[in-house]
Amino acid sequence: AQSVTQPDIHITVSEGASLELRCNYSYGATPYLFWYVQSPGQGLQLLLKYFSGDTLVQGIKGFEAEFKRSQSSFNLRKPSVHWSDAAEYFCAVALYSSASKIIFGSGTRLSIRP
Amino acid sequence: EAGVTQFPSHSVIEKGQTVTLRCDPISGHDNLYWYRRVMGKEIKFLLHFVKESKQDESGMPNNRFLAERTGGTYSTLKVQPAELEDSGVYFCASSHDRHTEAFFGQGTRLTVV
Repeated sequence: AQSVTQPDIHITVSEGASLELRCNYSYGATPYLFWYVQSPGQGLQLLLKYFSGDTLVQGIKGFEAEFKRSQSSFNLRKPSVHWSDAAEYFCAVALYSSASKIIFGSGTRLSIRP
Repeated sequence: EAGVTQFPSHSVIEKGQTVTLRCDPISGHDNLYWYRRVMGKEIKFLLHFVKESKQDESGMPNNRFLAERTGGTYSTLKVQPAELEDSGVYFCASSHDRHTEAFFGQGTRLTVV
């Protein structure tokens, strides 16, 4: 079955600390992998996506993600978080690069400690 | 350029009533998608329009939900009659085609009481 698992429901990190959000997926074909962010009162914004090539993907707002095929993982990282990074983060997979039948994880809420 | 716009941002209705959500995609985007996040659950795909045609409606939960996109521009999603379990956030997204990035709206939070 196709699924995305985000094991951490809520994470709190101190401002300036590093961040890693975990994501594992199960998908029959080779999927597109995405990370989206939803800030309070905002829509879903695409942070980055991966399909092929370099397994370390750079995104917006200083985020990056690493694809590990052997672990079926696509973890999101940021070396130093800012208070404005407080939001909910969603890992997702899809057959296409658009929004066609995206399968989302349950989300990880990130809080920033001053 | 305006993004994807959804109306209303928040709706509170009583069980059994009807609610219509609207989505205005980015101008020129033929593809329009509806998703929803029921409380505590994942964001789930509902359906996909290409212009005015339903390309895929496999995610529509039941026949109380009706989506339309007359003229291939804006889309509406009607829930009739609404049930308590329909509460959640309904997202709309649009893309130029199936292979280009989709942009999401801010969502409509529906509360059925």
